Amino acid sequence: EAGVVQSPRYKIIEKKQPVAFWCNPISGHNTLYWYLQNLGQGPELLIRYENEEAVDDSQLPKDRFSAERLKGVDSTLKIQPAELGDSAVYLCASSLDSGLDYNEQFFGPGTRLTVL
Amino acid sequence: AQKITQTQPGMFVQEKEAVTLDCTYDTSDQSYGLFWYKQPSSGEMIFLIYQGSYDEQNATEGRYSLNFQKARKSANLVISASQLGDSAMYFCAMRKKTSYDKVIFGPGTSLSVIP
Repeated sequence: EAGVVQSPRYKIIEKKQPVAFWCNPISGHNTLYWYLQNLGQGPELLIRYENEEAVDDSQLPKDRFSAERLKGVDSTLKIQPAELGDSAVYLCASSLDSGLDYNEQFFGPGTRLTVL
Repeated sequence: AQKITQTQPGMFVQEKEAVTLDCTYDTSDQSYGLFWYKQPSSGEMIFLIYQGSYDEQNATEGRYSLNFQKARKSANLVISASQLGDSAMYFCAMRKKTSYDKVIFGPGTSLSVIP
């Protein structure tokens, strides 16, 4: 079974440029998460989707970040314009049902963003 | 507010020895879950083990066991018979058992296994 797929793996852009990350979750997983991981820290949730609905986006900086999950499968996270402080790893994860007591999240390899 | 503390930024262990990675948490909830994830240099977070707050027995998964002390709010990970492939970052995490759950991760511990 294929895992969570993310692309690109690495992205280098200049500040003020836009950037987009793509995530394909594990087939059948209705919950999708985007995390931000700064160097030397644990991941922090940006947004969580239940199917195509964003049920928790309280940590998403909405002035420059946006996300979508059309048709409840693939998802795209966008930053426009990017700032130097956005340099980090962006992780995507998926899970089968967030209502379960034991709800394992499966993570992708992440996209490492460098803003120059 | 919920918080996870991992006080060991870096740890070293000899191959084939056991190692304990510390994790303490802060929550006012009675029902929650605790996780440990491994993150090798490739970047993926790999789920290792889960402990529910009402589970009476400590969780075990192969060489991984979780030393859960609820009164002390600690959930230490024990890795037995360390292998070179265990070298990685290890994150402790917690989730409230509500319908809109959010997983909170600790800052991580870097483990290096020495041959």
